[in-house]
Amino acid sequence: ETGVTQTPRHLVMGMTNKKSLKCEQHLGHNAMYWYKQSAKKPLELMFVYNFKEQTENNSVPSRFSPECPNSSHLFLHLHTLQPEDSALYLCASSQDHSRLLGGYTFGSGTRLTVV
Amino acid sequence: AQKVTQAQTEISVVEKEDVTLDCVYETRDTTYYLFWYKQPPSGELVFLIRRNSFDEQNEISGRYSWNFQKSTSSFNFTITASQVVDSAVYFCALSEFNTNAGKSTFGDGTTLTVKP
Repeated sequence: ETGVTQTPRHLVMGMTNKKSLKCEQHLGHNAMYWYKQSAKKPLELMFVYNFKEQTENNSVPSRFSPECPNSSHLFLHLHTLQPEDSALYLCASSQDHSRLLGGYTFGSGTRLTVV
Repeated sequence: AQKVTQAQTEISVVEKEDVTLDCVYETRDTTYYLFWYKQPPSGELVFLIRRNSFDEQNEISGRYSWNFQKSTSSFNFTITASQVVDSAVYFCALSEFNTNAGKSTFGDGTTLTVKP
């Protein structure tokens, strides 16, 4: 079982809906990330949190709103999404965010479909 | 800017063949880290290896081996005696320590199919 748990695994939402993706890790990691994986595109970094503080927002549209209440939990709040936002959203964690000893530990992802 | 290129989009081999996945990177940082991840059909990316820029020693782990050459900015991955379970998408990634700390860049991935 992965050390990073993402829920839900699948989500279908309309363009006017509001939903949230949840990510949880109990690995004692201090950094957490949101990545987007679209078909035929490389993984795109969205947000980085280090010790609960956001250190990176990779020009992500405001319809995606992250929240990191503590080092173990990370949320991605979604509202008024577009069909092109349909993708696999991956959460990852790492012990630190600069040297990345041990690399990332990824969750299984949330497959999001916007209709 | 950091960049990772995996020129091979798809590779298909027959079981027991050796296969090498290529990775070429660009960075201006002198301290950086290179990674390989495996993404099986289940979707979860699994960390395979991390190398830092000061350590050019090749590494072997079972049937997996990695060849890091700074002179050619390459970090290639070889699977020896491939098995059907090796079928997956493999990603190479780069993370700079100074310039873009915390922002790993991934290649497009190489889809490996191992046929029985």
